[in-house]
Amino acid sequence: KAGVTQTPRYLIKTRGQQVTLSCSPISGHRSVSWYQQTPGQGLQFLFEYFSETQRNKGNFPGRFSGRQFSNSRSEMNVSTLELGDSALYLCASSSSREGGGNTIYFGEGSWLTVV
Amino acid sequence: AQSVTQLDSQVPVFEEAPVELRCNYSSSVSVYLFWYVQYPNQGLQLLLKYLSGSTLVESINGFEAEFNKSQTSFHLRKPSVHISDTAEYFCAVSETGGGNKLTFGTGTQLKVEL
Repeated sequence: KAGVTQTPRYLIKTRGQQVTLSCSPISGHRSVSWYQQTPGQGLQFLFEYFSETQRNKGNFPGRFSGRQFSNSRSEMNVSTLELGDSALYLCASSSSREGGGNTIYFGEGSWLTVV
Repeated sequence: AQSVTQLDSQVPVFEEAPVELRCNYSSSVSVYLFWYVQYPNQGLQLLLKYLSGSTLVESINGFEAEFNKSQTSFHLRKPSVHISDTAEYFCAVSETGGGNKLTFGTGTQLKVEL
């Protein structure tokens, strides 16, 4: 069974540009979450999508957005990039047993560098 | 809201020695508890999780963690570490009934030396 796949793995963008990151969850998983990992702030939750609906949202500005498609694949977008957006962006997928406590599987991440 | 504290940012230990990585959490509601491991340039892998029942949970590679409700702790232990255990370890919580949102601690870098 294939794991969580993220593309691209590495990218460099210029301040002010926008970026779209893609995530394919494990087959059968309908929940997809995104996390930002930086040395200073650690791992922070961005948002979770389930069946194309945003179910949870972290404390990030509106420049960070996401969506989920009918096949559960997800994209996240960051507009008007800032230097501080340089980070590892991790996608995670899970089944969605009622009540939580599900095992959450992470992809290898997309390394974004903003220059 | 929940929070997770990992007091030790780095833990150096010799191979075959025991190790304990500490994790304390704070939450106003019931939580599930997790330990994840991250090897260099990789994503996170689940080591073990506590949902309910026995307070001692074990992983397949020799790690164990004990849930202590009164001390709000979920420390990770291994009786004998190996070089290959060198990695960063993250403790995390999620609210029961709160979907799949994880709140992570700041991580502990375990460095196993010969």
